[in-house]
Amino acid sequence: GAGVSQSPSNKVTEKGKDVELRCDPISGHTALYWYRQSLGQGLEFLIYFQGNSAPDKSGLPSDRFSAERTGGSVSTLTIQRTQQEDSAVYLCASSLEYRANEQFFGPGTRLTVL
Amino acid sequence: AQSVTQLDSQVPVFEEAPVELRCNYSSSVSVYLFWYVQYPNQGLQLLLKYLSGSTLVESINGFEAEFNKSQTSFHLRKPSVHISDTAEYFCAVSEGNQFYFGTGTSLTVIP
Repeated sequence: GAGVSQSPSNKVTEKGKDVELRCDPISGHTALYWYRQSLGQGLEFLIYFQGNSAPDKSGLPSDRFSAERTGGSVSTLTIQRTQQEDSAVYLCASSLEYRANEQFFGPGTRLTVL
Repeated sequence: AQSVTQLDSQVPVFEEAPVELRCNYSSSVSVYLFWYVQYPNQGLQLLLKYLSGSTLVESINGFEAEFNKSQTSFHLRKPSVHISDTAEYFCAVSEGNQFYFGTGTSLTVIP
């Protein structure tokens, strides 16, 4: 079956613009995660969804970041008024349940803010 | 908050030699531990995990890791590496509602 897909694969935007990143998890996976990977750094956990609910949003780096998930499937990560420090690879992963199970990662979206 | 430390950013090793990739975390209160691998030009994939029970866990390709609660470590080892093991390895800890990843260790196997 299809794996986790993300779109776009690359996004170049100007400082101050809003961007929306999309994640399509594996069908039937109830848990969905967003991470950010900056050059030379590890994966920074942003947020996770169990179904359509995000129990803990404290990982989002600022109030310019928001995420939603609809129908227990597709998720979007929105960054408003982008800044240069937002440039990174944004990874999405999904799993059958939270925490204990293997996460399946998407290929990521490379965001460049000029 | 939890923190995960992978002290070695790059590890070069000759083929068929043993290797250990180190991982330490800050708190062992009810955590799950993982190693993920990212082969060149591929996405991250799970290598092995510790949830409970035996502290030694193994992967299908010869890697093993041991959960050491007293030292808050989860080092990854392989007795004899192969060229195909060249990749980036990430240690991860799950605590509460969040996941924490280390900065990664780049393993390069030299022929």
